[in-house]
Amino acid sequence: AQTVTQSQPEMSVQEAETVTLSCTYDTSESDYYLFWYKQPPSRQMILVIRQEAYKQQNATENRFSVNFQKAAKSFSLKISDSQLGDAAMYFCAYRSGGNAGNMLTFGGGTRLMVKP
Amino acid sequence: ETGVTQSPTHLIKTRGQQVTLRCSSQSGHNTVSWYQQALGQGPQFIFQYYREEENGRGNFPPRFSGLQFPNYSSELNVNALELDDSALYLCASSLGTGGAGGTQYFGPGTRLLVL
Repeated sequence: AQTVTQSQPEMSVQEAETVTLSCTYDTSESDYYLFWYKQPPSRQMILVIRQEAYKQQNATENRFSVNFQKAAKSFSLKISDSQLGDAAMYFCAYRSGGNAGNMLTFGGGTRLMVKP
Repeated sequence: ETGVTQSPTHLIKTRGQQVTLRCSSQSGHNTVSWYQQALGQGPQFIFQYYREEENGRGNFPPRFSGLQFPNYSSELNVNALELDDSALYLCASSLGTGGAGGTQYFGPGTRLLVL
């Protein structure tokens, strides 16, 4: 079974600064997807970014980028120019690449606080 | 484009009762997955429905059951409620079960409290 670990329960960043959230995972599969989801106090899980394991290039979405290290099984999220609206729980998630059982396996989450 | 919707928003039940939660998938999506999120934890996969058939199940007892309708909306039913069933229940929809199309988009959740 796959596992996802987020070792930082809480992180804090000053507005306009950069912060990196860590995630490691364990799998024996070669075909998979990794995701970062954001969950603000409104509770809705919002997709931030997706990375396909077969792609060597790190995914980027505006101020959000990842550092995907496949051999090390590491998948960190970098938020640049942090904004107050970035304050939320961030979850790293894993999904197998096959068609059967399209389940997401989540880490325990990192609470990000943004200081004005 | 309509996003994923869930109803009700909040629900209070007593131990032993039964509950039904509802989810409407994003337009064009044919797959619905359900997750349970206990307070302070990451979501746990309950099961997934693809074209009205169950397509994978997590480590949840049979009193958790589901249904998907021809319009791809879905229900989660929980019988014989226990105190530990108190959680946020999240529904996610996707286009298919694999590949990039299998990326899941979540609804706002239903908060269930069992007393």
